[in-house]
Amino acid sequence: EIVLTQSPGTLSLSPGERATLSCRASQSVSSYLAWYQQKPGQAPRLFIYGASNRATGIPDRFSGSGSGTDFTLTISRLEPEDFAVYYCQQYVSSPPDTFGQGTKLEIK
Amino acid sequence: QVQLQESGPGLVKPSETLSLTCTVSGGSIRSYYWSWIRQPAGKGLEWIGRISTSGSTNYNPSLKSRVTMSVDTSKNQFSLKLTSVTAADTAVYYCARAYYSWLPFDYWGQGTLVTVSS
Repeated sequence: EIVLTQSPGTLSLSPGERATLSCRASQSVSSYLAWYQQKPGQAPRLFIYGASNRATGIPDRFSGSGSGTDFTLTISRLEPEDFAVYYCQQYVSSPPDTFGQGTKLEIK
Repeated sequence: QVQLQESGPGLVKPSETLSLTCTVSGGSIRSYYWSWIRQPAGKGLEWIGRISTSGSTNYNPSLKSRVTMSVDTSKNQFSLKLTSVTAADTAVYYCARAYYSWLPFDYWGQGTLVTVSS
């Protein structure tokens, strides 16, 4: 099973700042990595797939990068609605699909 | 717009079987892969398993001995059964869609809370 480790666990930033979230895989997942945003009481929403492709309707301030074992989700300028929990997911080696433990992006 | 809706009992007794159904509307259930994912309160996401509309299944090895999934294309529904539940199975259960088994989940249900308690 591929283990995904996200860092930091919590990121405290202010609106307008740049956010950098990390996801590291225990073995290569090539580019088969996705990022999801989850707000309280809501289902996760797909933001990035294939490591760097934005899903439909996702603003271009969100960008994903990386391949192999190290991946980054960058939010160029934080908007108030961006504060949420972000999960990475690998889907190259299944079963099982696996998720990271999440990074909580909170307002400073 | 595709919508997924989970349904089933919100309370299940320990040692009994958890049964949930996901109804897909706004599109056909055919030609996609359908998963169940759960999330204990305040914790992360755990993939339970997936089923194709041909009935092919993959389960998380950690749950495989207790999980059964099925699909009813005539009703645009798929289902989850989890046997011998304990308090550790208390979670919000989501159903989700992937276009292929090697793609991420592009549509999710809103989730349903299942509590295991006597």
